[in-house]
Amino acid sequence: GAVVSQHPSRVICKSGTSVKIECRSLDFQATTMFWYRQFPKQSLMLMATSNEGSKATYEQGVEKDKFLINHASLTLSTLTVTSAHPEDSSFYICSARVARTDTGELFFGEGSRLTVL
Amino acid sequence: AQSVTQPDIHITVSEGASLELRCNYSYGATPYLFWYVQSPGQGLQLLLKYFSGDTLVQGIKGFEAEFKRSQSSFNLRKPSVHWSDAAEYFCAVGAMDSSYKLIFGSGTRLLVRP
Repeated sequence: GAVVSQHPSRVICKSGTSVKIECRSLDFQATTMFWYRQFPKQSLMLMATSNEGSKATYEQGVEKDKFLINHASLTLSTLTVTSAHPEDSSFYICSARVARTDTGELFFGEGSRLTVL
Repeated sequence: AQSVTQPDIHITVSEGASLELRCNYSYGATPYLFWYVQSPGQGLQLLLKYFSGDTLVQGIKGFEAEFKRSQSSFNLRKPSVHWSDAAEYFCAVGAMDSSYKLIFGSGTRLLVRP
């Protein structure tokens, strides 16, 4: 099956610093990647849709200047949490759709846990 | 707007007992439907999916789900639960438009008694 890898799996940073999380599709091309945020014991909330070569589409209420998304290639999307604060601490999960398919099936990364001190 | 409801926050069953996790959705047409499982601190694993055709779909790990259009439901079942099935289960509905967005339910935590 298709594999999506996230890095780092865990990151701890100081308040005010920026953190970059990578999402890679290892054995397929992904024209579309999605970024989700999950608070403890809660569901996944879609943050943004990332399309290769174009600007990301953010969901309502998500600050695009806070959460910078880049999808420069068909196998890599990055999420940068800028000037992170403790309230940004969360579990961030990416998912990817296989290019040129219409099934809607997404493959998920293992998630990245961000802790902001 | 699309929405997914999982009415049970957590369910406890004895090992070997049967399981049914409920999922109801709201969508204007027949959606794509999914069940995912998440172990603590991990990403999501796809258990099964429904796109069209046979309304009873088989998935991995002995799970199955039945799509009932009249009830807008897509309940997940397993005839005999194993201790390793303890996890969080998410039902999701996918848009059939070009966005391919998935909207998730709030999840059901499954606890398995020895």
